[in-house]
Amino acid sequence: GIQVEQSPPDLILQEGANSTLRCNFSDSVNNLQWFHQNPWGQLINLFYIPSGTKQNGRLSATTVATERYSLLYISSSQTTDSGVYFCAQTDSWGKLQFGAGTQVVVTP
Amino acid sequence: GAVVSQHPSRVICKSGTSVKIECRSLDFQATTMFWYRQFPKQSLMLMATSNEGSKATYEQGVEKDKFLINHASLTLSTLTVTSAHPEDSSFYICSARDLWEPEDTQYFGPGTRLTVL
Repeated sequence: GIQVEQSPPDLILQEGANSTLRCNFSDSVNNLQWFHQNPWGQLINLFYIPSGTKQNGRLSATTVATERYSLLYISSSQTTDSGVYFCAQTDSWGKLQFGAGTQVVVTP
Repeated sequence: GAVVSQHPSRVICKSGTSVKIECRSLDFQATTMFWYRQFPKQSLMLMATSNEGSKATYEQGVEKDKFLINHASLTLSTLTVTSAHPEDSSFYICSARDLWEPEDTQYFGPGTRLTVL
């Protein structure tokens, strides 16, 4: 099946810092998505990005499908960015396969 | 935007009782809903795929008699944890796929934290 690997597993940032999260996947890209799970457990859709680059405020994502990886950029981090960031890919059965996540803590 | 609700948000029950969790798509129709389980500090694990008007499809290792799923309408799916035991304590999350969404995205509910004493 699809393997989705995320790095780093943990990240501690000072408020205002920038960071890059990485997602490697083993199969051809199919509906690669990024999610943020806030400290209360709610998953929020960030990007649907099978290829190319998208930006939404301080967040942006780039997927290089030919090299099977995606990057999520957080710029000028804020404490509200804390939580777990997941990437996920849809398999051939239409099911999301999640990576293990990157735990992000932004300190004031 | 697409909103998915779950009820209850948290529940504490005694061992041996059954607990029902509801998942609703509030502003869109969802022919397909998904149920996930998440242990602390871990990723989401898909339990089953729920299709409106038909039987749910369970992932390998998930007991269908233990976790009963019903998807009676285009906006409601329920997960019933039968004869709950402490090992069933977990965070349960549902998601729904928008029928009319051109991209194959899932929208997630806020989750239900189940504690079995």
